Amino acid sequence: DQQVKQNSPSLSVQEGRISILNCDYTNSMFDYFLWYKKYPAEGPTFLISISSIKDKNEDGRFTVFLNKSAKHLSLHIVPSQPGDSAVYFCAASAYNQGGKLIFGQGTELSVKP
Amino acid sequence: KAGVTQTPRYLIKTRGQQVTLSCSPISGHRSVSWYQQTPGQGLQFLFEYFSETQRNKGNFPGRFSGRQFSNSRSEMNVSTLELGDSALYLCASSPVVAAQETQYFGPGTRLLVL
Repeated sequence: DQQVKQNSPSLSVQEGRISILNCDYTNSMFDYFLWYKKYPAEGPTFLISISSIKDKNEDGRFTVFLNKSAKHLSLHIVPSQPGDSAVYFCAASAYNQGGKLIFGQGTELSVKP
Repeated sequence: KAGVTQTPRYLIKTRGQQVTLSCSPISGHRSVSWYQQTPGQGLQFLFEYFSETQRNKGNFPGRFSGRQFSNSRSEMNVSTLELGDSALYLCASSPVVAAQETQYFGPGTRLLVL
């Protein structure tokens, strides 16, 4: 039972355009969501997070949107740069599960010059 | 501030052996969590430690165990290694155990079981 799903295994975007990565979840107890970026053989790097009391959080080129009714979140990267090419994971945690993060399967983003 | 460090970075073992991996959290962070990444299962939560106590455990067999020391450093141990234990083992730290705390990951230990 996969509680966090990233249905697109890969995404290709032109440099300068917007990248939109999507994530769906099933557990209504999740109240904190994070996006991580990962290169092969390295640990995930934290990008941005959002609490369930918000519907949007912005940090530079990165914006995360949360739609609680649809149990859906998305990460927007504007403008996309070749250095953004990596695998992106969304993760979720529930208030009664402490630090346990449930990860999606990841989306590989390729930004072409 | 130095990030999360993990040792060793790479390890090769044979079936039946045991292995111990080490993690030093970011200075001041008291919670340490461990995750396993494999191509088939993705990133899966192993366990979480805070103040030398295991606070949470994932769905892994008892061969996987861990501990945390008074300086917040943590070790995880896998006994009787199986081929399927080959994975990237990641450690993450956060200031406290709480929902809505961001976890910061180390570079991982790549374990290969032959």
